Amino acid sequence: GAVVSQHPSRVICKSGTSVKIECRSLDFQATTMFWYRQFPKKSLMLMATSNEGSKATYEQGVEKDKFLINHASLTLSTLTVTSAHPEDSSFYICSARGVGPNTGELFFGEGSRLTVL
Amino acid sequence: RKEVEQDPGPFNVPEGATVAFNCTYSNSASQSFFWYRQDCRKEPKLLMSVYSSGNEDGRFTAQLNRASQYISLLIRDSKLSDSATYLCVVYNQGGKLIFGQGTELSVKP
Repeated sequence: GAVVSQHPSRVICKSGTSVKIECRSLDFQATTMFWYRQFPKKSLMLMATSNEGSKATYEQGVEKDKFLINHASLTLSTLTVTSAHPEDSSFYICSARGVGPNTGELFFGEGSRLTVL
Repeated sequence: RKEVEQDPGPFNVPEGATVAFNCTYSNSASQSFFWYRQDCRKEPKLLMSVYSSGNEDGRFTAQLNRASQYISLLIRDSKLSDSATYLCVVYNQGGKLIFGQGTELSVKP
C-alpha cells in the first residue's frame, strides 16, 4: 500500500528558531498533501492543503507566515515552523491521498513531535 | 456546531464486550466517510470506509444514515488490542477530510 514518510519524528528546538518538517510519498505521486496539527487528547486540526507547484491553502486562523509550506515536487512537501514559540509545541502530521485502487484513502506520515523550549 | 462530532469518551469495557461509537456530521453534502484508529502518540490509520449500504469487516461493522447524518461503528467481541482512539472522518464537498474529536476506547482484561 501507499506509504508516506515524515521526518524528523521528534525535534526539540529553542524559541526563535525555525524547524522544517518533511513529508514524502514513497511509492506514489501526491499532487495534494495535507498538514494537520494535534494537541494532546484532541483531534487532528487541518492546518493547510499543500498543492504541488502552487501556493498552499491555509485554514482559517492558521498564520501562513508562521507555517511555511512548500510542495516543490510530486513526492515532497515541507512545513517550516518559523520563529518557533513554546505554544507551537505540538504533534504535526502530514498526509496524502492515495491514487489508483487506494483513491480516497488518506495515508498519514508517522508524525513529528515538536517541542519548543 | 462542529462539523463532525463524536461520542465523548472514554469507553471502558471488558474483553469480549460489544461497543458502539456514534458520529454525526453537519454538512449534508459530505461525500465519503471513514473510521480511523489512532494509537497513543502514533499517526491515524484507516480502519474502514463507511458505505451507504453498511459494511462489515470481521468484528467491525460500520453504518451510515444519510438522512440523519449519522455514522456508527460497532465492535464485537472486544480485544485488548482494540484499545485506541477511534476517529470519525468525513470527506466534505470542499475536498477536505474533517476529523471528529475521537472517542477513546479502553478494553480491560
